[in-house]
Amino acid sequence: EIVLTQSPGTLSLSPGERATLSCRASQSVSNYLAWYQQKPGQAPRLLIYGASSRATAIPDRFSGGGSGTDFTLTISRLEPEDFAVYYCQHYDGSSRTFGQGTKVEIK
Amino acid sequence: QVQLVQSGAEVKKPGASVKVSCKASGYTFTSYGISWVRQAPGQGLEWMGWISAYNGNTNYAQKLQGRVTMTTDTSTSTAYMELRSLRSDDTAVYYCAREVEVGATGWFDPWGQGTLVTVSS
Repeated sequence: EIVLTQSPGTLSLSPGERATLSCRASQSVSNYLAWYQQKPGQAPRLLIYGASSRATAIPDRFSGGGSGTDFTLTISRLEPEDFAVYYCQHYDGSSRTFGQGTKVEIK
Repeated sequence: QVQLVQSGAEVKKPGASVKVSCKASGYTFTSYGISWVRQAPGQGLEWMGWISAYNGNTNYAQKLQGRVTMTTDTSTSTAYMELRSLRSDDTAVYYCAREVEVGATGWFDPWGQGTLVTVSS
């Protein structure tokens, strides 16, 4: 079973700063990776699929990159509404796996 | 717009069963599968399983095999998740999510609003 490891666990940044989140897979997953944002008390929301494609209505300050085992989610300039928890997720037909999450908090 | 609306919160005793519903609208129900994901208090996301709304095929997480059953009712565009022999560590928010599959990959979009299931004596 593929394991996804996200780092760091918590990222403390100020509005306007750049955020770089990492997701590492225990074996190659090609570009079969998605990213989600979850705010307190809300359901997760799809941000990125296929490692780098933005979902509908997602602002272009969010970008995804990587392939194989190493992936990044970048938020170019943090807006107040971007402080949340972010999860990566892999799908391989028989199973779906989530990373443990990265919390982006206000510094 | 595409929407998934789940049933309300439940409180159950240990050993009981719970059945959560997820009503879909805004798309052709049988063209997509539904996955169920749960989140224990303060914890991350755990995938529970998937059901094809087209033919009812299922794929359950190994950890829950034998305790979980997922079904659909295509006449009402509703998916159901039943979890039996509830334990205190089943206390969580349960989400349904439409699964979009493209080739060998897939993702969840959108998600239902979540259903809190509390297991307590």
